[in-house]
Amino acid sequence: GAVVSQHPSWVICKSGTSVKIECRSLDFQATTMFWYRQFPKQSLMLMATSNEGSKATYEQGVEKDKFLINHASLTLSTLTVTSAHPEDSSFYICSARKGSNTEAFFGQGTRLTVV
Amino acid sequence: GQQVMQIPQYQHVQEGEDFTTYCNSSTTLSNIQWYKQRPGGHPVFLIQLVKSGEVKKQKRLTFQFGEAKKNSSLHITATQTTDVGTYFCASSSGNTPLVFGKGTRLSVIA
Repeated sequence: GAVVSQHPSWVICKSGTSVKIECRSLDFQATTMFWYRQFPKQSLMLMATSNEGSKATYEQGVEKDKFLINHASLTLSTLTVTSAHPEDSSFYICSARKGSNTEAFFGQGTRLTVV
Repeated sequence: GQQVMQIPQYQHVQEGEDFTTYCNSSTTLSNIQWYKQRPGGHPVFLIQLVKSGEVKKQKRLTFQFGEAKKNSSLHITATQTTDVGTYFCASSSGNTPLVFGKGTRLSVIA
């Protein structure tokens, strides 16, 4: 089956630094990938849609300058949390689908802790 | 866009009891998908329903899609400790992102 790989699975960084999270589709090409954020015991909140070869589409309230998304190839999307602060600590998950109205495959998630 | 409301938020059951979570929308849904997320894990796809009134079964799990395609349910018969986790319904239309319900957290007491 399709696999989406996300790296790193967890990261601890200091306030003010930037962190890059990678999301790869291992056995299919994904022109679109999605980035979600999940707080403890809550649902997945869509942050942005990553589009291969073009700008990402951000959801309302998500700062595009803080959460930089790059989708440089059909198998890789990256999310960079810039100038991280403790309130950015969260579980970040990416997903991709093979086609419209199909199941979503999720990465393992990245638990970010900013100290 | 499509939005889905999910209840209950939490459910604690004795092992062997049944469990049901419900998903509702004010608009007609193109499809409904169900996911399970184990504690500390990521969501894993369970099933997709597309047709009005559709019913699908996976062992002890029964999934239903309402006739009006505005509601759906997931029923687990005789829960086991391995059923613990959060169950999410989600929906999308075409290439739009999946929109998730708030999820139902299931605890099973042995």
